[in-house]
Amino acid sequence: GAVVSQHPSWVICKSGTSVKIECRSLDFQATTMFWYRQFPKQSLMLMATSNEGSKATYEQGVEKDKFLINHASLTLSTLTVTSAHPEDSSFYICSARGTGRTDTQYFGPGTRLTVL
Amino acid sequence: AQTVTQSQPEMSVQEAETVTLSCTYDTSENNYYLFWYKQPPSRQMILVIRQEAYKQQNATENRFSVNFQKAAKSFSLKISDSQLGDTAMYFCAFMKPINYQLIWGAGTKLIIKP
Repeated sequence: GAVVSQHPSWVICKSGTSVKIECRSLDFQATTMFWYRQFPKQSLMLMATSNEGSKATYEQGVEKDKFLINHASLTLSTLTVTSAHPEDSSFYICSARGTGRTDTQYFGPGTRLTVL
Repeated sequence: AQTVTQSQPEMSVQEAETVTLSCTYDTSENNYYLFWYKQPPSRQMILVIRQEAYKQQNATENRFSVNFQKAAKSFSLKISDSQLGDTAMYFCAFMKPINYQLIWGAGTKLIIKP
């Protein structure tokens, strides 16, 4: 139980284009979803928290116009990187907190984004 | 503000040995949760074990157990009979009960040698 999927697992795009990453909770309803960014050999950096049906709450220093987050249903959240640039290249991970075990985050497998 | 400290950047042990990873945290909260996650080379973050602060009993999950010392704000992870598949980055994390956000330690790279 508590499976979270992410799609795509990796993506390469040209500078200036937009990329959408999907995060789905497969076997539970996700009250809250979190988006992280992870640089090589570092810990996770929280980008934003999204509750279903509400606007996402972004961490300080994260550009909300660049990283658009939508959490339209209890099983799906999307992160769109708009006008991507090489410095946006990174590993993006989502996690979900469910209605069953509300005190635990379950993680997706991550998406590697490379911007050329 | 809460902080989580993992003082061991890297550790290595022989297969079948027991290893303990250290974690300390700082908080003024009384009720909270603590977690150990592992991140193998696949980079999938996997929950290893969780501990509720209000429980005095240390959590265990098969070969994994914790030593939770609330007064000392210490939360170490013990891996018994280590296996090659235990090779991974291990992250200690503190959950803020007000918004369920995780505060992460810097991680410990654990290498199990055959």
